Order: sequence, then C-alpha cells, then structure tokens
Amino acid sequence: DSGVTQTPKHLITATGQRVTLRCSPRSGDLSVYWYQQSLDQGLQFLIQYYNGEERAKGNILERFSAQQFPDLHSELNLSSLELGDSALYFCASSVAVKVGAGTEAFFGQGTRLTVV
Amino acid sequence: GDSVTQMEGPVTLSEEAFLTINCTYTATGYPSLFWYVQYPGEGLQLLLKATKADDKGSNKGFEATYRKETTSFHLEKGSVQVSDSAVYFCALIRSGNTPLVFGKGTRLSVIA
Repeated sequence: DSGVTQTPKHLITATGQRVTLRCSPRSGDLSVYWYQQSLDQGLQFLIQYYNGEERAKGNILERFSAQQFPDLHSELNLSSLELGDSALYFCASSVAVKVGAGTEAFFGQGTRLTVV
Repeated sequence: GDSVTQMEGPVTLSEEAFLTINCTYTATGYPSLFWYVQYPGEGLQLLLKATKADDKGSNKGFEATYRKETTSFHLEKGSVQVSDSAVYFCALIRSGNTPLVFGKGTRLSVIA
C-alpha cells in the first residue's frame, strides 16, 4: 500500500458527461501529480500541484482541470468527455516539490475511466 | 523536450533466464533516472533509481547503471522469477520544476 488513495477505482460514463476523480496523498506529502495512462500513449503527465498551487502543467486538455485543497487532497475534473478519454488516471504524491535524490513519487492504484 | 525510449515489449522469458530491458533518454543537464514497476491491477512502485553518472541502482535483484556517455539506464536481472511478471517503466526527472517523464513501458511475462 503506497498510502495514496484514489477514488473511485472504476468509472463508466457517457460521452459529453463530466466526472471528478479524487486523490488523497500520503500523509505529509505536499506535491500531487496527475498522469493519464492509455494503451497507445503510455503515461502522460497532466498537471502538478504543490501545497495548493499549480507548479507544472503537461499535456492537459482544456476540458480537464484540477485543484488541490487546503487539506492537500486533489481533484481532477474531466468534462465534455469523449471516447478517447477512456484511460487509467493515476495520482502520485511526494513530500517535495520535485522528485529526485532522497525523494520519490508514490502512486495510487488509479481510476479506470471508461467513456461509452 | 525530455524523452525516454524503452524497448518494445512484450518480453517473454522462462524462469531463471537473464533479463535486460533497454532504456535510453534525451534530456538537457543531468537528470535523475528511475525504474518503476507496475504489477497487474496496481499503481506504479519505485524499483530503483540513480541520481548521477556511473551510479548503480539496485533492488530485489534488479540493477541499472546510469551511463551518461550512452545516455542509457538499462535494467538487468540475473535470474527472473514468475513473480517478476509486470510492466516496467523507465523514467527521468530533470532539475527544475519538471515532472517525471516516463517511457511507454515494457511488459514482462515470466513463465515457469
């Protein structure tokens, strides 16, 4: 158990809908990262928050948004869903603003989103 | 931009065989390098890491050496077990506010 909790584990929704994925980081971790894992694209970095502030942005679509709350949990909002958004969405957390020597990122088990 | 290239899978080996999964990277500066493992139905776990040239990361019988001259970080294990069946990801992080950059992953299946 990594200590990172993601809910829900599975989500099935229709095209055009909006969903919210939730992530609770490990106790004491200030950084939260969101990744999208699809079969053809591999693991794509979406966005990072550190202590409530956005720190880095990757290939995140305008239909997607995220935030980190004062209790450090994070939510990823996906709207106007398309079939191609079906993927596994991972959250990771780390104690520092940047993973590196002495720090590592811990991953949750992911939320599998299926858009039908 | 930064990128990581891994050998295409899937890789199928018999138990006790030698494993090599190739990984090369492109990045400016001196990135830290990682191998993550994803077991079926689970999230990614850090397997090993190396933070500077010539460092060797090792864990659970797996090893990888940071080779700056060839920009490589190949994963090796002398004798694989069925329990090593998983997807392996090579990753890097550069200095500054950049996130982990992952390769596409290599699926390993070990058969008894």
